[in-house]
Amino acid sequence: AQSVSQHNHHVILSEAASLELGCNYSYGGTVNLFWYVQYPGQHLQLLLKYFSGDPLVKGIKGFEAEFIKSKFSFNLRKPSVQWSDTAEYFCAVTTDSSYKLIFGSGTRLLVRP
Amino acid sequence: GAVVSQHPSWVICKSGTSVKIECRSLDFQATTMFWYRQFPKQSLMLMATSNEGSKATYEQGVEKDKFLINHASLTLSTLTVTSAHPEDSSFYICSLNIASETQYFGPGTRLLVL
Repeated sequence: AQSVSQHNHHVILSEAASLELGCNYSYGGTVNLFWYVQYPGQHLQLLLKYFSGDPLVKGIKGFEAEFIKSKFSFNLRKPSVQWSDTAEYFCAVTTDSSYKLIFGSGTRLLVRP
Repeated sequence: GAVVSQHPSWVICKSGTSVKIECRSLDFQATTMFWYRQFPKQSLMLMATSNEGSKATYEQGVEKDKFLINHASLTLSTLTVTSAHPEDSSFYICSLNIASETQYFGPGTRLLVL
């Protein structure tokens, strides 16, 4: 069965530090990849997505992610985090032409001012 | 992006009662909506796919007689938790996608069953 793994469950950083959150998926076919963010008390919002083309995708708020097909990975990065980036981040995939999202377990990011 | 609302935002009920949660698409028509459940400190798990005008498609392990889904119009899907028990306490979230293969999520409904 398809699955998504996020290895970091909790990450604590100071402002201006660089961020990289890992995401790996298990599926040999075509995938669409997503990163969603959930700020405290708010609903899930889309940060960025990859369907095809350039494997380095840029999203909102300075986030980017790189799809490495050979590693089945889609890691999220930000060169310099802010306190306002404190949130929970979810990696998710859809496989083939299905609309069903399969979520990772999430990573809670705390950015200290 | 699409605006999705849920009502109520939170509900407390007694064990054995039924609770209805509404999911509305405010600015788009959605033939398909999704219902997820999120337990504390866990990820979202897809419960079912709600199809307008037809029966919902449930994921493995989700009891269709317990979690009744009705998608009577292109802007409204409802999830009814029948005979709720404390183990059904969770955060229920709906979403929809509109041709773009991107899902837009509602704010969620927190259910507490006493």
